[in-house]
Amino acid sequence: NAGVTQTPKFRILKIGQSMTLQCTQDMNHNYMYWYRQDPGMGLKLIYYSVGAGITDKGEVPNGYNVSRSTTEDFPLRLELAAPSQTSVYFCASTQGWGETQYFGPGTRLLVL
Amino acid sequence: ELKVEQNPLFLSMQEGKNYTIYCNYSTTSDRLYWYRQDPGKSLESLFVLLSNGAVKQEGRLMASLDTKARLSTLHITAAVHDLSATYFCAVLPYGGATNKLIFGTGTLLAVQP
Repeated sequence: NAGVTQTPKFRILKIGQSMTLQCTQDMNHNYMYWYRQDPGMGLKLIYYSVGAGITDKGEVPNGYNVSRSTTEDFPLRLELAAPSQTSVYFCASTQGWGETQYFGPGTRLLVL
Repeated sequence: ELKVEQNPLFLSMQEGKNYTIYCNYSTTSDRLYWYRQDPGKSLESLFVLLSNGAVKQEGRLMASLDTKARLSTLHITAAVHDLSATYFCAVLPYGGATNKLIFGTGTLLAVQP
């Protein structure tokens, strides 16, 4: 199993541009999450999904959108990028309630 | 609002010494998790603590949970350089059906030779 994979690894965006961060897991996990980690800080939840077709907002959803059309994929869309969205983005998944979350390698995003 | 606080935020220690990282949380919790993050890398699961009094050990790391005090500790025994990393605790709030974790701010551990 590849686990949780994310693309791209690194991206530079100009203010106002849009992009999609890809996340795929091959463990048939129901729950998937998007976090952001600002320098020297912990993780904050952006959006999560409890299954295909079901998504909901986390702590810091403004400026982002998600979709979950399949169990495997959970893309995160940034519309109108802003410097405040400069961060490292982690995708995670878990099979069931209370189980350990498995994290992808992260996407480093710089908005200039 | 649920808060998860770790201390210290930064810990510089010498090889061979012992130390403890503390994780306090502000509400009842079903489970507590410890993760390790190496610089520029992703998060790796270390421990899941399921109940009051739970203790888990892996190598030089031992984690414990006191749900009455809303406190978890991560004890490092005879530190070695390879343990240098940032350690996060994360709490699953009681009754959290959506499995959303609340992370602490992390403890950056630097083990000096």
